[in-house]
Amino acid sequence: KNEVEQSPQNLTAQEGEFITINCSYSVGISALHWLQQHPGGGIVSLFMLSSGKKKHGRLIATINIQEKHSSLHITASHPRDSAVYICAVRSPGNQFYFGTGTSLTVIP
Amino acid sequence: NAGVTQTPKFRVLKTGQSMTLLCAQDMNHEYMYWYRQDPGMGLRLIHYSVGEGTTAKGEVPDGYNVSRLKKQNFLLGLESAAPSQTSVYFCASSPHFIGQGKRGYTFGSGTRLTVV
Repeated sequence: KNEVEQSPQNLTAQEGEFITINCSYSVGISALHWLQQHPGGGIVSLFMLSSGKKKHGRLIATINIQEKHSSLHITASHPRDSAVYICAVRSPGNQFYFGTGTSLTVIP
Repeated sequence: NAGVTQTPKFRVLKTGQSMTLLCAQDMNHEYMYWYRQDPGMGLRLIHYSVGEGTTAKGEVPDGYNVSRLKKQNFLLGLESAAPSQTSVYFCASSPHFIGQGKRGYTFGSGTRLTVV
């Protein structure tokens, strides 16, 4: 069983739609990260959370520590948002766990 | 621009050859990591370092060695390359203190390694 589970694995949306990607984890954490990987391979860190909610442009990340769950929302999706989104957690003991990613395709 | 630089970007090795991948960061980050990424497997941690002179094993350390002699550099060595080590390798760094205002990781652009 993976310590970090993401859903859905694949997602196709029309441009302009509101998108939600979910991440559930089974370990205690000191931080949760959302990463974005575009075709071609570059990885960018979008958010680092330990509680609450963070917003950056059209992206919003939330975390519920009690439920061990985080969501990444994209408002007004655009084809340039097409990428793989990866949830990763870091435990207080410096163990690192990654989800296998959610592949998002936004169609014009 | 500040960031994480990996070299080389591409490499083809023959089985049994050795090589070293270099990762350099100029952000004064304490933590550095080496990951491999295989199709359908996601990112897997090979080794990491929480500071100069320290290293620790990650999820898939076998066949690899690392060194962190200087804070800004983290080297990944393949002692005797095997076809199973064909992968894309990513280096990353992060600060020790995870403040709410920080995004956390900074990744290098990756090294595509093929072992034939």
